[in-house]
Amino acid sequence: SAVISQKPSRDICQRGTSLTIQCQVDSQVTMMFWYRQQPGQSLTLIATANQGSEATYESGFVIDKFPISRPNLTFSTLTVSNMSPEDSSIYLCSVRRAQGSNEQFFGPGTRLTVL
Amino acid sequence: GEDVEQSLFLSVREGDSSVINCTYTDSSSTYLYWYKQEPGAGLQLLTYIFSNMDMKQDQRLTVLLNKKDKHLSLRIADTQTGDSAIYFCAESGGNEKLTFGTGTRLTIIP
Repeated sequence: SAVISQKPSRDICQRGTSLTIQCQVDSQVTMMFWYRQQPGQSLTLIATANQGSEATYESGFVIDKFPISRPNLTFSTLTVSNMSPEDSSIYLCSVRRAQGSNEQFFGPGTRLTVL
Repeated sequence: GEDVEQSLFLSVREGDSSVINCTYTDSSSTYLYWYKQEPGAGLQLLTYIFSNMDMKQDQRLTVLLNKKDKHLSLRIADTQTGDSAIYFCAESGGNEKLTFGTGTRLTIIP
């Protein structure tokens, strides 16, 4: 498996502000993803974080709202910009060691509450 | 798009077997997964099965796949209080993106 850590683990933020979530993996991985889990809901893929290039966003998610960085093979950040209460969710980082790898692992999540 | 369905709740007596069911629509699914989410935690990968298999067993866990009916199940033998969690079914097609079900909340009755 992969050991994945996220910072912060939780935060309470004011409307209109931005929060950057960090994801650190204990070893190099090819694929990194960001998911959102709204309260009581399932997981929705936000984007695939690509090392050295722009992230690939899923339908309904845009770079201006969720900018993503991936400077190397062990680290990525997701920013939730100009937050509103509807952004209150758990945000999860997820990795696959290599393209074609069958196993996908998840971090512990960042629980975000927007007031 | 792809759709993955699960029943929302399941209650099982301690010591009995739990069977959590999942149906999916994507006929090109290559792998199907079961994840466990305990309260306040991330997702733990329990097991996965390749779409050309019909069964996989790993200790107390048995996965059954009926590809014709697009039906997946997870059986937990000798269910214990530590098995209380939400269980998510997920499928991936050729693009390696996971589509998740709604999750089944498993409650253990003492």
